[in-house]
Amino acid sequence: AQKITQTQPGMFVQEKEAVTLDCTYDTSDQSYGLFWYKQPSSGEMIFLIYQGSYDEQNATEGRYSLNFQKARKSANLVISASQLGDSAMYFCAMREGRGSNYKLTFGKGTLLTVNP
Amino acid sequence: EAQVTQNPRYLITVTGKKLTVTCSQNMNHEYMSWYRQDPGLGLRQIYYSMNVEVTDKGDVPEGYKVSRKEKRNFPLILESPSPNQTSLYFCASRGQIHNQPQHFGDGTRLSIL
Repeated sequence: AQKITQTQPGMFVQEKEAVTLDCTYDTSDQSYGLFWYKQPSSGEMIFLIYQGSYDEQNATEGRYSLNFQKARKSANLVISASQLGDSAMYFCAMREGRGSNYKLTFGKGTLLTVNP
Repeated sequence: EAQVTQNPRYLITVTGKKLTVTCSQNMNHEYMSWYRQDPGLGLRQIYYSMNVEVTDKGDVPEGYKVSRKEKRNFPLILESPSPNQTSLYFCASRGQIHNQPQHFGDGTRLSIL
């Protein structure tokens, strides 16, 4: 079974609108964390936001926020006021365990296209 | 500036010709890792290293070797490359605190003919 599932291979959004990118995960660990990365067409991986399983509040970073629903095992990325520069591939990734020896497991990604 | 540097950025080579992709980080990170990215598959971990002289296999280690003789460097070695190793490769590093993100290099696009 996949540990990280991103069900939307591609998404389209109009400029200035909000968009939600879905991520569901599967783990039996109590301590885990979810990361979101952005990969523009130039190829580099850019860290966006992190949510720990024990964090009481949903993470926010500027226009990015995480809709974390622990019982549903989902950690959806919300981008508010989309910009043309938000067009990119977005990856959700999970770390399991609390120690330093953890591995990140990535989802297959969602390609977001922002239309003018 | 904190960074992970990979070289080369692009390489086209032929089957069986040994190659090395270098990776260096300037953040004094203990943990380093190699991933490959293929369309529709996301990023898959090849090898990782917890510290100098400590390496372990990831999910797709076949056909690759690594070494960690110095903390800052973590080269990826393809002893006898094959066409199925054509991919986009990323090196990453992070500190030991569990909520720190991995810092990625800019990627190396390898084409094995």
